Amino acid sequence: KAGVTQTPRYLIKTRGQQVTLSCSPISGHRSVSWYQQTPGQGLQFLFEYFSETQRNKGNFPGRFSGRQFSNSRSEMNVSTLELGDSALYLCASSLEQGAGEKLFFGSGTQLSVL
Amino acid sequence: AQSVTQLDSQVPVFEEAPVELRCNYSSSVSVYLFWYVQYPNQGLQLLLKYLSGSTLVKGINGFEAEFNKSQTSFHLRKPSVHISDTAEYFCAVSERRGTSYGKLTFGQGTILTVHP
Repeated sequence: KAGVTQTPRYLIKTRGQQVTLSCSPISGHRSVSWYQQTPGQGLQFLFEYFSETQRNKGNFPGRFSGRQFSNSRSEMNVSTLELGDSALYLCASSLEQGAGEKLFFGSGTQLSVL
Repeated sequence: AQSVTQLDSQVPVFEEAPVELRCNYSSSVSVYLFWYVQYPNQGLQLLLKYLSGSTLVKGINGFEAEFNKSQTSFHLRKPSVHISDTAEYFCAVSERRGTSYGKLTFGQGTILTVHP
């Protein structure tokens, strides 16, 4: 079974632009969550989707948004990029939603904002 | 709200020596506890988790962790490490209540470096 796939692997953007990151969960997994990883702030929860509905959202500005499609694939969008948005963005999927579920992580998208 | 503190940012150790990575948490509600590992240029992989029952949890690759409710700790241990254990380790918690779903709160990570 294929793992969680994130595309693209690397991305370079300039301030003010917008970006869309893609995540394909493990086949059969219905829950997808996103995390931002930076050296300074560590791993921070962005949002979680289940059956195309956002179930939970972290403490990020409205420039960060996401969605989930009927096939469970998910995208996240960041508008009006700032230098501080440079980070590794990790997507994780799980079979069901739930606090004790094992998360399977992708390798991430490394976003650099210049 | 919850918080997780990993007491050591870096732990160097020689091969075949034992290791303990320390994790303390704070939460106003009951939590589930996790340890994840991240190898260079990869995503995170679950090592083990504590949901309920026995406070000693065994995971993959010979790791184990012990949940101590009174000390709000969940330390990770391995009796004999290998070079391949070199990685960054993250302790994480999630609230038990249903509305939190899969949201994890992570510690800052501990870089374990195993020397030959």
